[in-house]
Parts: sequence; C-alpha cells; structure tokens
Amino acid sequence: GESVGLHLPTLSVQEGDNSIINCAYSNSASDYFIWYKQESGKGPQFIIDIRSNMDKRQGQRVTVLLNKTVKHLSLQIAATQPGDSAVYFCAENGGGSQGNLIFGKGTKLSVKP
Amino acid sequence: GAGVSQSPSNKVTEKGKDVELRCDPISGHTALYWYRQSLGQGLEFLIYFQGNSAPDKSGLPSDRFSAERTGGSVSTLTIQRTQQEDSAVYLCASSLGSGEKKLFFGSGTQLSVL
Repeated sequence: GESVGLHLPTLSVQEGDNSIINCAYSNSASDYFIWYKQESGKGPQFIIDIRSNMDKRQGQRVTVLLNKTVKHLSLQIAATQPGDSAVYFCAENGGGSQGNLIFGKGTKLSVKP
Repeated sequence: GAGVSQSPSNKVTEKGKDVELRCDPISGHTALYWYRQSLGQGLEFLIYFQGNSAPDKSGLPSDRFSAERTGGSVSTLTIQRTQQEDSAVYLCASSLGSGEKKLFFGSGTQLSVL
C-alpha cells in the first residue's frame, strides 16, 4: 500500500510466521523490479530482484512475485525473524531512458518475538 | 572500496549556508546516483551520472542543488543557501553501469537545517 505523510503502512507479524509485503507499481513499461530493506540509520540494502519476463523468483527465505496484469509486486519472507524488522521498499526502473529507479514509499515490518 | 562511502554522516547547518556532501562509490562502478529521503518517506531521485555522459539532473528540486563527479569516481552534492525543507537524508548509490539497475547504497548523510 501507499503511505500518507509520515505514516508508513505497517505490517506486524509474529516471529516464525511468514510475511507478505505488497507493492503496486505505476508503469506498465517497467521491465525490472527490485526490493530493498532499510534498517534504521542505514542505507537501503538489496534483497532480491526480478525481470518482467518472470513472475516468480526465489532467494534465501525470500520470494518475489510479479503480476504484470494488475501491476502488483509482492515480497514473501519465510519464517520471519526479529532481524527482518525494517522498512521494505519496492522499486521499478520505469521503462524510460532514465537510469534511476523509482521507489515506492515503503512498508514497515515489525516482528514480535 | 568495499562499499559506498558517504561523508559526513551527519551535518547540521544554519539556514542560508551552503553545504557539500561527499560520495565515494564502489571501485569500478561507472554509474552513480543521488537520492533524497525525507522522514518516513520513500527515496526521491535527484541526479544520475553514467561514465562520461552528461548527468541526468531531472530530479534536482531547484537550482540551489548541484552535483559533480570528478574523474568518474567521487561525487559531491552541493546545496546552496540551504532551507529548512532541505533537511533529509541524502543517499548515494552506485552500480556497475547503466544497464545494471542493482544499486548499492551508502549509509547516507543526515542533513539538518536549523
């Protein structure tokens, strides 16, 4: 979901449960998507990426799903741990000539021990 | 270097002063980006350098903002006549090149304009 002002969407999960973080992207021409994790006081850290010719990609404990029909991206984290608590951003490359990524506003994940 | 390095990590300045923020990208990375992150917000693109090409300045919010990249490596973001609304975290990122969109970020510079 999208945030308004200072209030980020927040997802609260129990340690050990699976987490699903959703993202709606804007440009149907985007051909590359990426998820970042940002812990407090740090820069964003790469988690996983996916190209538009795929609809699923798996990493270690993480899976990204891409639904181009509805322009939706999700990040699934298996067996969520306290160290997963952070803000998660999705980004798309916008499909244009610009080299920059276009970032969503982020979702805050809180893991309860 | 091992990662993207930014300095200073924190900068407090008075309204109207100029500030310079520095970014040292990962060695061998030809693309360098500056983003701005306001409290609780996503990342706002500012400027992008790719090799020796003219930079993409389309994200700079006003002519008070400028950036240079000397020798294809270190970059400096300059904000002139700072305003309170410039307060934010300024993040630098680098990547292997324009075709590589996986960006590696530094820890940012927290700028506070009083």
